[in-house]
Amino acid sequence: GENVEQHPSTLSVQEGDSAVIKCTYSDSASNYFPWYKQELGKRPQLIIDIRSNVGEKKDQRIAVTLNKTAKHFSLHITETQPEDSAVYFCAASFGEAGTASKLTFGTGTRLQVTL
Amino acid sequence: DAGVIQSPRHEVTEMGQEVTLRCKPISGHDYLFWYRQTMMRGLELLIYFNNNVPIDDSGMPEDRFSAKMPNASFSTLKIQPSEPRDSAVYFCAARREGTGELFFGEGSRLTVL
Repeated sequence: GENVEQHPSTLSVQEGDSAVIKCTYSDSASNYFPWYKQELGKRPQLIIDIRSNVGEKKDQRIAVTLNKTAKHFSLHITETQPEDSAVYFCAASFGEAGTASKLTFGTGTRLQVTL
Repeated sequence: DAGVIQSPRHEVTEMGQEVTLRCKPISGHDYLFWYRQTMMRGLELLIYFNNNVPIDDSGMPEDRFSAKMPNASFSTLKIQPSEPRDSAVYFCAARREGTGELFFGEGSRLTVL
């Protein structure tokens, strides 16, 4: 089955700096890669996703890049703000037309944005 | 749509007792998932359903765990008998039909003493 590794496990940045979280996956058939944000005591929520026919996707201060050859994808947050502090999970799955079913999650990265 | 609704939000029970967690998914979903979250193991997929049919229960840790989805509006995860190592937050998540996005419930925090 799919295996997703995520690094780093914790990340501390100063407000305004950029943060990068990296994930690798094992199943070359995986074609859907979402990122979820989980604030303390809350539910995970989708913040951005990318499909394997795209190399990069951006949404305001958040961007995700995908390298299919190397089987890794990354989350980039620019101009970090205190409200970005949370645990971020990457995930991977396979499905037709992006309608992926079973997601395998990484172990999470705890991001702390300091003032 | 009120989103995915889970109950109870918190449960404290003693070892050996039966625990039943409940989930009401969003309307228009096609998949329903049960995840367990702990500090040590992160988010683990326990079981998932497609159109109310169990597809993969390989993540269910032991026979003490069982899950049902009698209809599109309701699912349960049962642990009997419960053990202290079952203490975790259990999330139910539903995938809106035709998309990849999972909508998670608020979770049920289980503590087994």
